[in-house]
Amino acid sequence: GAVVSQHPSRVICKSGTSVKIECRSLDFQATTMFWYRQFPKKSLMLMATSNEGSKATYEQGVEKDKFLINHASLTLSTLTVTSAHPEDSSFYICSARSGVDTEAFFGQGTRLTVV
Amino acid sequence: QKEVEQNSGPLSVPEGAIASLNCTYSDRVSQSFFWYRQYSGKSPELIMSIYSNGDKEDGRFTAQLNKASQYVSLLIRDSQPSDSATYLCAVKDQGAQKLVFGQGTRLTINP
Repeated sequence: GAVVSQHPSRVICKSGTSVKIECRSLDFQATTMFWYRQFPKKSLMLMATSNEGSKATYEQGVEKDKFLINHASLTLSTLTVTSAHPEDSSFYICSARSGVDTEAFFGQGTRLTVV
Repeated sequence: QKEVEQNSGPLSVPEGAIASLNCTYSDRVSQSFFWYRQYSGKSPELIMSIYSNGDKEDGRFTAQLNKASQYVSLLIRDSQPSDSATYLCAVKDQGAQKLVFGQGTRLTINP
């Protein structure tokens, strides 16, 4: 399958700071990328969908000013968690696909801990 | 509200047996179906996709799709302890942006 690289895999930050997570498609052009968060023993919760060159579409209940998403190129999307709080601690996962009806592949995930 | 339902398990299967995982979906226009495997602490990994009614085989894995009954299943033959994971079913409408995931089935293969 296609390769999606997510970085960092693990980050610890202090409350009030911002954290940026990168998601890269290494061997294909990702027209669409998705950002999820996952709590322990729970399923994936879609946060937002981003298409290259346009604004992200956020799911209901997700604060767009807190979770900033940028998809400036066909191989890179970033998620910035602004003014992080301990309740933002979670496993954040991106996925990417090349076309509307193609398979989506996941990055390795980022475990964020806010202290 | 589109829904994808899976039995959360845990499903325990002895090593060497066939593990059968089931998924039902509510939206009749769904066109694409995927099975992902997720190990604890890791991100999901795509193991099978299926788009047409019938069976699709890949190694020890077989996906089965029945659009009339709105279910998709995954069979794992000759189950191994390394197959122990949570299996996520995902469904997508043709032309839709996002996948709809089930809650996942936790599978344990007992040596």
